[in-house]
Amino acid sequence: ETGVTQTPRHLVMGMTNKKSLKCEQHLGHNAMYWYKQSAKKPLELMFVYNFKEQTENNSVPSRFSPECPNSSHLFLHLHTLQPEDSALYLCASSQETSGSSYNEQFFGPGTRLTVL
Amino acid sequence: AQSVTQPDIHITVSEGASLELRCNYSYGATPYLFWYVQSPGQGLQLLLKYFSGDTLVQGIKGFEAEFKRSQSSFNLRKPSVHWSDAAEYFCAVNDYKLSFGAGTTVTVRA
Repeated sequence: ETGVTQTPRHLVMGMTNKKSLKCEQHLGHNAMYWYKQSAKKPLELMFVYNFKEQTENNSVPSRFSPECPNSSHLFLHLHTLQPEDSALYLCASSQETSGSSYNEQFFGPGTRLTVL
Repeated sequence: AQSVTQPDIHITVSEGASLELRCNYSYGATPYLFWYVQSPGQGLQLLLKYFSGDTLVQGIKGFEAEFKRSQSSFNLRKPSVHWSDAAEYFCAVNDYKLSFGAGTTVTVRA
């Protein structure tokens, strides 16, 4: 595997289910990100991890719970979601986060989530 | 805080014709600017980036972009569009995190 991979690619879940999204990067990066992409809206940054530590939570509801066990893996645990949470969830990685420097991010293919 | 505006929501262009996508940014210092492309069902792929030096930047797939500080713009261009260029294009500016524009959808007609 190369680059950033995400599983599953598609997920349908009910509002009472619990599921997890997985992201893995094979680039030796130290920072990982979760984004939400809804139709007709700009990408929304959800969470940022740098060297396994969460550095940003962009006011995300607690029904989304991220986990970063190491610099290569990132999870997004989902529970009691709402239909408006249906979207494409994208994972990205970069060398690291830094206060004011260039920071190229590499994206995975995304998980298309549908909440019924 | 930085922000990015892509004024065109949707552009239709004929195959072989030229393409220009507009991007305006708001940022106090020298910005780091990116263009990404997203094909249907895929993640985002970096087309090109600017962070210093020559204001005309070459990218992959025959794309180029020009940074104009006086106009706060970073427009993307391609001289001759191929059907495979149909996709959604995102401009982004980086401070300590990426801020994306809303995207421009490009349709290519035969």
